[in-house]
Formats: sequence, structure tokens, C-alpha cells
Amino acid sequence: QVHLVQSGAEVKKPGASVKVSCKATDYTFNNYDITWVRQAPGQGLEWMGWISPYNGKTKYAQKFQGRVTMTTETSTSTAYMELRSLISDDAAVYYCARKQTYYYDSSGYYVGWFDAWGQGTLVTVSS
Amino acid sequence: EIVLTQSPGTLSLSPGERATLSCRARQSVSSKYLAWYQQTPGQAPRLLIYGTSSRATGIPDRFSGSGSGTDFTLTISRVEPEDFAVYYCQQYGSSPTFGGGTKVEMK
Repeated sequence: QVHLVQSGAEVKKPGASVKVSCKATDYTFNNYDITWVRQAPGQGLEWMGWISPYNGKTKYAQKFQGRVTMTTETSTSTAYMELRSLISDDAAVYYCARKQTYYYDSSGYYVGWFDAWGQGTLVTVSS
Repeated sequence: EIVLTQSPGTLSLSPGERATLSCRARQSVSSKYLAWYQQTPGQAPRLLIYGTSSRATGIPDRFSGSGSGTDFTLTISRVEPEDFAVYYCQQYGSSPTFGGGTKVEMK
């Protein structure tokens, strides 16, 4: 069974950066993208972007362009999401998920559903 | 960005009743690119349905999905106690978006 295990909760000050890790086990890491989704307290789900461990290609949501960086370390099957210049509105639970690469979209990306999720990492932003 | 609107916001049902959840897109969505997720409190979302109507591994057949174009539906034929949760629709094109969610609560 696919497992994605995320790093622990973080408390950051406004203006700081946070880096969340996501370790994948029990599947071939390079064969699926890793995507990141966040959920503010009591709110819905917000897609942030994805990365292909195979070639490092990324796609970020426009909202986070310039402030987020997603990377992978294939030797340890681990994905990372770094968010910079944190503000209070960035306080949320951050999830990684495995993204199927089922369809080649006209936009030039492989797209698919999110079929396995990490347990979530709570990021608190407070002065 | 493709905006998805879910209705109703909250659905109050008794176990054994049928649940019908709606997801409406502001522009047409390929039926290949529509998914549904279930989220219980304190847990990560769980994939239920992808490609509008395909059940994910291990999902009971009381869950079904249908629709096309701008209107999609998740149906739970007979709600079980473990089905009380929040449900999100998602389009997973090149810039994925989620609906705002429908909470299915016990009446």
C-alpha cells in the first residue's frame, strides 16, 4: 500500500520560510508526480502545485508563483515544499499527495487524480 | 481558473437514506478530469471517484458518480454511519481546483 509520511508541525514567524517533507514508500517514486494541497482552518482544499520526480518539472499555481519551490530527492524518495515570506494567511495544514500521470493534457503536462495523501503538516504562522 | 460550486453546503440525513451531492463548473470540464474526495475531521482527504464515475480502489459500490459538461453528481445510495464527512469535487486539469465542499451530517 502506498504511504506518504510528512514531517512534523512547524511554528514560524511572519516573513520566515517553511520547508515540509514528504517521504514516499511502497511504490516507484519516479513514476508519479507529487502534488501539494493546503487547507486553512475550517476551509476547503487549495492546490499549490506539483513536481515530477522523474525530470524535476514543476507546475505551480499562479497564486504561489515566486514564493514556493518544490523539489525531490530521488535517492530517498522524498519530496519537499518550501514556502517563503510567510504571512498569517499561510497558516494551514499542508498535504502532499501522489498524482496520477494518466493523461497528457494540451497544456503540456501529465494530469491525473490524487490517489494517496500524506497525513498533513500543520504550519502555524505567529509572531 | 475553473470554478467549481458544490451544493448543498450541508446535507442532513439519517443512515440508510440516499445522498445526492452536486458539483457545478463555471465552464465545461472533461469527464475524464473530474474526481470526488471524502474528508473526515482531522484526516487527509481520500479519493473516492475519478474520471467522473470510476471508483477508487477499495471504495464501496454504494458510492457512484455521474455527469458531464458542467454538472456532476456524487450519489451515496444508502448512507452508512462512516459516510458522515465532507465531500469535495475536483477538476484535475493542468491547474486543478476544488469545490467548496458539501458536509453530510447526521440528522
